[in-house]
Amino acid sequence: DAGVIQSPRHEVTEMGQEVTLRCKPISGHNSLFWYRQTMMRGLELLIYFNNNVPIDDSGMPEDRFSAKMPNASFSTLKIQPSEPRDSAVYFCASSLATGAGQYFGPGTRLTVT
Amino acid sequence: AQKVTQAQTEISVVEKEDVTLDCVYETRDTTYYLFWYKQPPSGELVFLIRRNSFDEQNEISGRYSWNFQKSTSSFNFTITASQVVDSAVYFCALSARNAGNMLTFGGGTRLMVKP
Repeated sequence: DAGVIQSPRHEVTEMGQEVTLRCKPISGHNSLFWYRQTMMRGLELLIYFNNNVPIDDSGMPEDRFSAKMPNASFSTLKIQPSEPRDSAVYFCASSLATGAGQYFGPGTRLTVT
Repeated sequence: AQKVTQAQTEISVVEKEDVTLDCVYETRDTTYYLFWYKQPPSGELVFLIRRNSFDEQNEISGRYSWNFQKSTSSFNFTITASQVVDSAVYFCALSARNAGNMLTFGGGTRLMVKP
């Protein structure tokens, strides 16, 4: 079975540009999570969805960040406009149920110059 | 509120040594789940184990073993006969029932196994 799929794997963009990160969760999983990892702050939960509905977005740093999950097999995380401090690895993860293990995608390494 | 503390930021051992990674957690919930993840140099996060708060049995999987003690709020991870391929950052994480499905991660322990 395919794991969590993320695209692109690497993204380099200039400050001010819009960035869209994509995620396909494991089929059958009903929860999806977006994380950001940096050296300074470690792993931070940005937002999570349950059955395609956003449950907690308190980790989203500011209005420049938005996430959607239009269906059970696809989610996007958008940054508009991007800033250099957004440079990080962004992980998507999915899980089957509350308390179940979260399975992570390979991550998207974002560099904003 | 929940919190996970991994006091060891870096550990260096020589191949074949045993090594224990410490994890201490805090939660007010009586139902919770504990996890360990491995992040090798390639960057992906690999799920290793999940335990629930009602199951204090220790678990062994090959060279890996986990010791869960509610009395000390600890969930320690031991690698026996370490190998160079074990070099990675290891994260302990907690998910409490009242926090939904949200994982709280510790800061991670970087393990370096030298040949």
